[in-house]
Amino acid sequence: DSGVTQTPKHLITATGQRVTLRCSPRSGDLSVYWYQQSLDQGLQFLIQYYNGEERAKGNILERFSAQQFPDLHSELNLSSLELGDSALYFCASSPHSGGANEQFFGPGTRLTVL
Amino acid sequence: GQNIDQPTEMTATEGAIVQINCTYQTSGFNGLFWYQQHAGEAPTFLSYNVLDGLEEKGRFSSFLSRSKGYSYLLLKELQMKDSASYLCAVRDRGVISSGSARQLTFGSGTQLTVLP
Repeated sequence: DSGVTQTPKHLITATGQRVTLRCSPRSGDLSVYWYQQSLDQGLQFLIQYYNGEERAKGNILERFSAQQFPDLHSELNLSSLELGDSALYFCASSPHSGGANEQFFGPGTRLTVL
Repeated sequence: GQNIDQPTEMTATEGAIVQINCTYQTSGFNGLFWYQQHAGEAPTFLSYNVLDGLEEKGRFSSFLSRSKGYSYLLLKELQMKDSASYLCAVRDRGVISSGSARQLTFGSGTQLTVLP
């Protein structure tokens, strides 16, 4: 158990719909990262937040958005869903200073778009 | 940008030693990580290298050569439970702000199968 929690574990929805994925980082971690992992794409970095502010953007579509709240939990919003958005979505958190700053991953949310 | 290459698949026998290679190109290197990921599960941190040389942690060791853009993960005394995907990830220097970590770019992973 990494200490990072994600809900829901599974989500099945239809094309065109909107969903929200939730992540709570490890206690004390200020940085939250979102990743998408599909079978043919590997682990793709989407976006990073640090203490409520966006810090880095990767291959995140305009239909996707995220935010980090004052209590440091984060939400990833996916809208106008397409079949190709079906994937595992991971959230990770890391300490804010010192050492390796390795990222600790949550268990993921498996999104299926039908 | 970054480019990370690692073999797609490897097979080894229980009790043996296997070396998984990773080569990378990056504009600003700030550390290399190895993660293990079992199918459908979260990646788990294995090792971190930022300076040249070998880091040993139990049955797992990781090596880095920054001048060659090369790393390897060495797994000794292989066990069946080591069958998993092994992900090489590079952290770039990025914009250094007080207290913020930099993003990781992951390779596509090496699927290791350990046979009895």
